[in-house]
Order: sequence, then C-alpha cells, then structure tokens
Amino acid sequence: DTGVSQDPRHKITKRGQNVTFRCDPISEHNRLYWYRQTLGQGPEFLTYFQNEAQLEKSRLLSDRFSAERPKGSFSTLEIQRTEQGDSAMYLCASSLPPGRKNNEQFFGPGTRLTVL
Amino acid sequence: SQQGEEDPQALSIQEGENATMNCSYKTSINNLQWYRQNSGRGLVHLILIRSNEREKHSGRLRVTLDTSKKSSSLLITASRAADTASYFCATHEGAAGNKLTFGGGTRVLVKP
Repeated sequence: DTGVSQDPRHKITKRGQNVTFRCDPISEHNRLYWYRQTLGQGPEFLTYFQNEAQLEKSRLLSDRFSAERPKGSFSTLEIQRTEQGDSAMYLCASSLPPGRKNNEQFFGPGTRLTVL
Repeated sequence: SQQGEEDPQALSIQEGENATMNCSYKTSINNLQWYRQNSGRGLVHLILIRSNEREKHSGRLRVTLDTSKKSSSLLITASRAADTASYFCATHEGAAGNKLTFGGGTRVLVKP
C-alpha cells in the first residue's frame, strides 16, 4: 500500500496521559498536514510541514500539542496531559509541492483518540 | 470557525435518484475540492475545481463553482447505496495558504 498510513488507528487513554501518533506520508510528497475532526464536523487544520520545517500552526494547536517531522519523512503528533476535549479523529495528509497536481492532499485513515 | 458551509446538513434519497449539495465560502480561493468520507474512515478526494473554472465532471459527479456568489455545488447522478457517506467541500486559498478549510459536511443516505 503506497498511501498515507497512520498508527495507531485507535487510542484510548486516561485524562492526563500523554499520547503520540505517527503518520507516514506518500514517499515523494514533501508536504505533510495534520487535521483534527470531531464528531459530526469537518476536519480542522492543525499544522503542516514542508520537508522537516513546520511552516504553519493553527491557534487550535495549544502548548500541549507538538508535532515533528525530523527527517522530512514520517511525522509524529504528541498530545501532553490529555483532556476529554482532545477526543477526536486526528487525520494526516500529504501532498506534492505547489504547482504539482494542484496540491491535492491525500489523507490517511486517521487515528481516533478517546480520552476517558 | 469553518469557511465552507454545506447545505443541506443531511440528505436521504432512493437509489437511482440524484443528490445535490451546496457549499458556500467566505474568502477568495485558489481552488475548491470535494471529499467523501465513509463512516469513521479517512477522506477520499473526489474532484477539484479551480477558481477560473465554472463546471467540471468526473464520472457521475458534476461540480459547479460560482465565485461571484462564493458557492459551489456537487451533483451525484444515479446514486447508489455505496454513495452513502459524508461529503465535504474544502477551499484552498492559494499557494501561500496551503491548508484546506473544510465545511461541516452533508451526510447522504442512499436507500436501496
């Protein structure tokens, strides 16, 4: 499978615990995005990387959230001291640089986080 | 808050009927994209229409874009039970703005 993969697919944690999610983009895509989707809503942008550089962060990304893409390939999203309000589907997407195929973003299957 | 707003929020039709959903947005865009999401799954890209295009077709899908009204519509013709899903419009604001801004989605149920 050469699409975007995410791990784990599901995570249940207790409030106050830290969690980390991983995203592996399509190999030739240098852009990687994180979105959050709550039940019944559309995805909301969190942050994006071009190669290893984090170029934009949403105000939704509080200090408890940190994302990295150390080698410009896979990315991790960590949430510290989780709260019940963090329960959501976390989606990763990747794309080619601007000007290549309209920047179509290809989405992974998501990681569903439940904070008890 | 989300830029795109879909209408209706939910739609129930019989197999074989057409399904139409609309999306409105607020700012200038580079392109507008439609995605499908099956329950609890990731998003699948359906079609992209650029700001200088007015209509686009892909199989049973037809998308229109009216930049003067800041609105788009997605038509699914001859619907099938497998089209049951949530449909989202997403706007891309330009080369510098790389994120997609999604609407709240239209939940479509196609009854066999």
